[in-house]
Order: sequence, then C-alpha cells, then structure tokens
Amino acid sequence: SQELEQSPQSLIVQEGKNLTINCTSSKTLYGLYWYKQKYGEGLIFLMMLQKGGEEKSHEKITAKLDEKKQQSSLHITASQPSHAGIYLCGADRRGFGNEKLTFGTGTRLTIIP
Amino acid sequence: ETGVTQTPRHLVMGMTNKKSLKCEQHLGHNAMYWYKQSAKKPLELMFVYSLEERVENNSVPSRFSPECPNSSHLFLHLHTLQPEDSALYLCASSPAGVAGGVNTGELFFGEGSRLTVL
Repeated sequence: SQELEQSPQSLIVQEGKNLTINCTSSKTLYGLYWYKQKYGEGLIFLMMLQKGGEEKSHEKITAKLDEKKQQSSLHITASQPSHAGIYLCGADRRGFGNEKLTFGTGTRLTIIP
Repeated sequence: ETGVTQTPRHLVMGMTNKKSLKCEQHLGHNAMYWYKQSAKKPLELMFVYSLEERVENNSVPSRFSPECPNSSHLFLHLHTLQPEDSALYLCASSPAGVAGGVNTGELFFGEGSRLTVL
C-alpha cells in the first residue's frame, strides 16, 4: 500500500460545482504540501500546512489538516476550467521540511462545461 | 516561466547511449532536487543537493549519476538505461537547504524532461 493515499484517483466535475480531494497518511506528519500539475509539466505549489487543525485558503481553494496531522482535504469552490489538472499532496514525514517529501499518486481533475 | 529551466524537454535514447539532463535555476536558491515521475506511480525523490553537496540519494541505481557543479546548475547523467527508466524527470529548487535558510515550504519545479528509453 502507498504511504500516502489520495482519493479519488480521478474526478470529473461540472463547471461551477464544488469538489473535495483527500490525502491520508498512516503516520503523523510534520507537514503537508499541496501541489498542482498540468499534464506533463512541472508542479505548482498551492499550500503548506503544518499545524493540526490548520486551514488555508487561496482564491477558491481551501486546504485543511486534521488535528492528528494525518489527513488533509483540498476543497475547490465553484470549480472553473482553470482548476483542471493533477493535484498532488506531499508529506514531510521526517521533519526535514520540503526537502524530502513523499508524494501521493495524485488526483486527476477534469472540469466539464 | 518558472525560474527553473530544464533541457531537453524530450529525449529518446537507446539502452547503450549516454546522455545528460540539465537543470538551471535563476532564483538564488541553495537546494536542488531530481524527481522521477512514472505513470501510475507517486513522484519519487531521487537526489537532493544542498549548497552543492549531495545530501540525499534514495537508493537510485548507479546508471543515474547526478552532478551539481554550482548552486545554479544540476545535471543528471544517464547511461545504459532500461526501458522502465522511461519517465518524466523533474528538477526542483528551494531557498532552504539542509544547511540552513528559511523554509518557505515551496519547491520550485521545472517543466520536466520526458525521457523515453528504447
């Protein structure tokens, strides 16, 4: 099994609808990072969460880290075509920050008109 | 434009060839990374360089040889690769290396080099 599980693996959402992507670790994390990737391209940093219960927002994207620091959710409100892509969570499992991240397999998001 | 430039963007090579991937960052960062992204697999960290010193080598086969001549450049030398090495190779940089600095949490990625091994 993967050390970091993401669900769902893929998601097709009608434009304007809300959606949630989850990232779960079997162990407590030092930090959780969300990235977005356009197909075949590099990753773009979205947010970093480090404290239990922490929540951050950027435009229409909100990410939360649970109190136990083992699960994070990424919520998109009123989805737009520009939100399409692959969302990856990265975990800091050893306290080295972003330098030694373990990534999930990603969630492929498709937005349909 | 990301500030991290990778060349070539696409590379096709035979198993007996020797080639190199290049990464260059103009962000003044002191840490650089190589990641491998294969289909259906999580992004895998291969190598980490901090202040031009290799600080992480995640059990990568010796047919992959990294080189960091200075803090702005990172190479991945490839020789006698296997078809299963075909993947997207991503370079990244960050302001904070293991040796110190401020961790902003962000890795800055290049657009990747798509490698196909025949």
